[in-house]
Amino acid sequence: DAGVTQSPTHLIKTRGQQVTLRCSPISGHKSVSWYQQVLGQGPQFIFQYYEKEERGRGNFPDRFSARQFPNYSSELNVNALLLGDSALYLCASSAKMGGGIQYFGAGTRLSVL
Amino acid sequence: AQSVTQPDIHITVSEGASLELRCNYSYGATPYLFWYVQSPGQGLQLLLKYFSGDTLVQGIKGFEAEFKRSQSSFNLRKPSVHWSDAAEYFCAVGAKETSGSRLTFGEGTQLTVNP
Repeated sequence: DAGVTQSPTHLIKTRGQQVTLRCSPISGHKSVSWYQQVLGQGPQFIFQYYEKEERGRGNFPDRFSARQFPNYSSELNVNALLLGDSALYLCASSAKMGGGIQYFGAGTRLSVL
Repeated sequence: AQSVTQPDIHITVSEGASLELRCNYSYGATPYLFWYVQSPGQGLQLLLKYFSGDTLVQGIKGFEAEFKRSQSSFNLRKPSVHWSDAAEYFCAVGAKETSGSRLTFGEGTQLTVNP
């Protein structure tokens, strides 16, 4: 079975632009979480979606938004990009909302110039 | 709020030597605890987890970790390190209220293995 897949692998944007990152969870997994990993730091929780509803949000500005589709794939949107948004964005899926193991994708590397 | 501290930013060991990576957490109740490994350009791979029960947890690739409630620690150990273990290691805690779904990670420990 395929693992968590994220696209694109790399992305270069300029300040003020908008970006959409995509994630396909492991087949059968209904929960998707997003994390931001700035270079040299540990991942930070952004959002969790389960059954197409937002179930948790980390300490990120409203420029960050996400959604989950009926097939449980997910998109993360970031508006009005800042230089500080440059990071590796990781998607994780799990079979259930809680008490389960999160499986991570390889991430999308976003560079904001 | 939950937090994780990994005191060692970078550790260097010789191949075949034993390894211990430290992790201290802050959380008001019994946490869900995880160790993940990240190789360059890769996502995170789960090494092992602690939810409840036996405080000594076995994981993949010969790793183990011990949950010590009195010390708020969850240190990762391996008796004999292989060159392929060189990577960055992250300790993470999840709250039971959210059933471990919102992970808080430490800053990571970079492991270098000398031949």
